Amino acid sequence: NAGVMQNPRHLVRRRGQEARLRCSPMKGHSHVYWYRQLPEEGLKFMVYLQKENIIDESGMPKERFSAEFPKEGPSILRIQQVVRGDSAAYFCASSPPGIPGNTIYFGEGSWLTVV
Amino acid sequence: ILNVEQSPQSLHVQEGDSTNFTCSFPSSNFYALHWYRWETAKSPKALFVMTLNGDEKKKGRISATLNTKEGYSYLYIKGSQPEDSATYLCAFILSGGSNYKLTFGKGTLLTVNP
Repeated sequence: NAGVMQNPRHLVRRRGQEARLRCSPMKGHSHVYWYRQLPEEGLKFMVYLQKENIIDESGMPKERFSAEFPKEGPSILRIQQVVRGDSAAYFCASSPPGIPGNTIYFGEGSWLTVV
Repeated sequence: ILNVEQSPQSLHVQEGDSTNFTCSFPSSNFYALHWYRWETAKSPKALFVMTLNGDEKKKGRISATLNTKEGYSYLYIKGSQPEDSATYLCAFILSGGSNYKLTFGKGTLLTVNP
């Protein structure tokens, strides 16, 4: 059973461009979470999604950031018009159906650098 | 603001030493505490999920205890080995509807010297 797969692992974008980060959850998992690690900070919750539904996006910046988890295909975290402050490691995680809050499995992260 | 504090920030020990680190969290509205092991360039790997006050969990040489009344958890490593070198993260979850949202500490970076 492959783990949580994220791509790209590393992404460089110029200010003003768009960044798209993809996450394929573990097989059979229906809950997807995105976390962000800014330099010198701990992992911070951004958004929790189930198939075709955003359950909680309370950790997402109000502008420029969006996330989706379509019926088919990976979850996408999209950052429009990136700025230097968006440079961070973005981690996706997934968990199986049922009670969330049980063991959550993380991907290896996508490192975004904005130049 | 809900904070998780981990101490120490970093730790260097010799192979064979036993070590422990602390995770402090708010004691009210507790739902669960998670410990993760995170090696550089890899994904954080779950070690333990703890929910009950007084819980003790063990996996090989690593064990953890939980005190929800006073808001702390200890992680112990017995007879440290170089392959134990990693960042150890704790994260807690509040009860009350958002019982999926992990609030992480900054981690304890353990280096085990051969």
